[in-house]
Amino acid sequence: NAGVTQTPKFQVLKTGQSMTLQCAQDMNHEYMSWYRQDPGMGLRLIHYSVGAGITDQGEVPNGYNVSRSTTEDFPLRLLSAAPSQTSVYFCASGLSSGTENSPLHFGNGTRLTVT
Amino acid sequence: AQSVAQPEDQVNVAEGNPLTVKCTYSVSGNPYLFWYVQYPNRGLQFLLKYITGDNLVKGSYGFEAEFNKSQTSFHLKKPSALVSDSALYFCAPGVHGGSQGNLIFGKGTKLSVKP
Repeated sequence: NAGVTQTPKFQVLKTGQSMTLQCAQDMNHEYMSWYRQDPGMGLRLIHYSVGAGITDQGEVPNGYNVSRSTTEDFPLRLLSAAPSQTSVYFCASGLSSGTENSPLHFGNGTRLTVT
Repeated sequence: AQSVAQPEDQVNVAEGNPLTVKCTYSVSGNPYLFWYVQYPNRGLQFLLKYITGDNLVKGSYGFEAEFNKSQTSFHLKKPSALVSDSALYFCAPGVHGGSQGNLIFGKGTKLSVKP
């Protein structure tokens, strides 16, 4: 079982460059989300989606775009990278309904450095 | 507004001793709570959950947690720690009927178990 797959594992960008972090899940989960993890800050929600064609902002959405054209994929786009976006990014998926009974499944993360 | 606190950045215990990782929360409504564990260079993994019912919840790897409504706490415990338990632990409360996007994570507590 692949679960939640994130690519790439590591990325270095220069300020102003753009890139897309990929996330795919094979569990037919309706819900997908992106978090960033920074030292001392825990996990902060960037964007989430409750199904194909539906996205919403989380706690820290500025500087990031998302789209959800299929159930399986939920890419995260950085249009113009900034050093403040240096972080470890995690994609997660879960069932949309009965959220209290559905733990999230996490990918192994993408470590992004912006210089 | 929801909030969660993990008051200890790090917990150090000797192998074989009991361990406790503390979590307190504040939610508007009936809470449900998760504990997740993160091993180095990996995503978070589900450990256990409290939904309703018995206040003592048992989870993976011999961990358990006690829900205390009056103290709004959900402390993670294990009777006998193993070196392999060393990891980062996250408490995550949500609200019954809320969406996955309302799940928030604590800042994490690093557990270090020494031989």
